[in-house]
Amino acid sequence: SAVISQKPSRDICQRGTSLTIQCQVDSQVTMMFWYRQQPGQSLTLIATANQGSEATYESGFVIDKFPISRPNLTFSTLTVSNMSPEDSSIYLCSVEGLGLAGPYNEQFFGPGTRLTVL
Amino acid sequence: QQPVQSPQAVILREGEDAVINCSSSKALYSVHWYRQKHGEAPVFLMILLKGGEQKGHDKISASFNEKKQQSSLYLTASQLSYSGTYFCGTEMDSGNTPLVFGKGTRLSVIA
Repeated sequence: SAVISQKPSRDICQRGTSLTIQCQVDSQVTMMFWYRQQPGQSLTLIATANQGSEATYESGFVIDKFPISRPNLTFSTLTVSNMSPEDSSIYLCSVEGLGLAGPYNEQFFGPGTRLTVL
Repeated sequence: QQPVQSPQAVILREGEDAVINCSSSKALYSVHWYRQKHGEAPVFLMILLKGGEQKGHDKISASFNEKKQQSSLYLTASQLSYSGTYFCGTEMDSGNTPLVFGKGTRLSVIA
């Protein structure tokens, strides 16, 4: 399976500020995604990070609030902008690739970034 | 379309069996199962593909009923290490699409 690292692992931020989360994968992958998970809840897809083009956002998520970059096939960033306490959550990077751990497309998750907004 | 998982929570004694179900109202291409322990990232367990066979490793296996658009995860002779929240992620198109996850089933195994 792919090894995925995220930075920072956790942060406490003030309302109105922005935080950029980095995701690094140890191999080239086709697809990278960003999810949010609030305590005790399911995983909600924020967007698909497209290499060389604008990210594809899910309903309820917009580029101005969650700008995403993906400059190459192993790296992506998610910025949480103008934060409010409602943005407190765990943000997870996920990758999908053929044959990472078998002959099928499989999806793996990074360790997550735990964000608290005061 | 978010898949529906049942039950929401289950408590087992070591050695007991459990079944977790994941249903969709739309036709599925694949179902992926994950386990997440508190404070950790979800860990991939297995993938079931349309037309595929039942999968399994160790005492955890899963099946995919295409007629019902339902997948079931079977945990046999449960161990303390099986505790966690189990999520199914569903995919409607083949490849290159993100998974949509159910709300999860919280499994607690007690001694």
